[in-house]
Amino acid sequence: NAGVTQTPKFRVLKTGQSMTLLCAQDMNHEYMYWYRQDPGMGLRLIHYSVGEGTTAKGEVPDGYNVSRLKKQNFLLGLESAAPSQTSVYFCASSYSTGAGNTIYFGEGSWLTVV
Amino acid sequence: QKEVEQDPGPLSVPEGAIVSLNCTYSNSAFQYFMWYRQYSRKGPELLMYTYSSGNKEDGRFTAQVDKSSKYISLFIRDSQPSDSATYLCATGGGFNKFYFGSGTKLNVKP
Repeated sequence: NAGVTQTPKFRVLKTGQSMTLLCAQDMNHEYMYWYRQDPGMGLRLIHYSVGEGTTAKGEVPDGYNVSRLKKQNFLLGLESAAPSQTSVYFCASSYSTGAGNTIYFGEGSWLTVV
Repeated sequence: QKEVEQDPGPLSVPEGAIVSLNCTYSNSAFQYFMWYRQYSRKGPELLMYTYSSGNKEDGRFTAQVDKSSKYISLFIRDSQPSDSATYLCATGGGFNKFYFGSGTKLNVKP
């Protein structure tokens, strides 16, 4: 059972380059999320999706775009990378409703922008 | 005020000690509470989940929620070096809104 899978795991970008982080989940979850985690700042929500074809902004959406063309996939794009986007990125997913709802994370993608 | 506050530590204890990790939260409407363990260079993994108040035990781990004081705790008995990690508390506010503490780094010395 793979759970939440992220690719790539590591990437170095030059300022101004673009890239896409891929996330796939095999738990049939409705909700998917992209977080970034920085020292001393914890997990911050970038964008999220409540279902196929939907996306919404989180706490720190600027400089990022997302797409959810298929229920199991959630893509995070950086159109013009900046050094401030150096971080570790986590994709996560959860069921849509109910008590007992918990969120499951991928292993992370380490991005360095030079 | 952040929705969830957590002491970042680091916390260093000898092997076999009882560890107490704590968080406070701001919104009395929060109903479910989680603890995640995050090893270095890895993603957070769900460790414990509790709904509403009370205790939940799983092996050496006990999660406790006190809704009257908006306080959540994780106790680790007989701590092991393999427990060395960062522990994040989290709470859910409904509609899939999750709020995370910044994490407490724990080091268990052999």
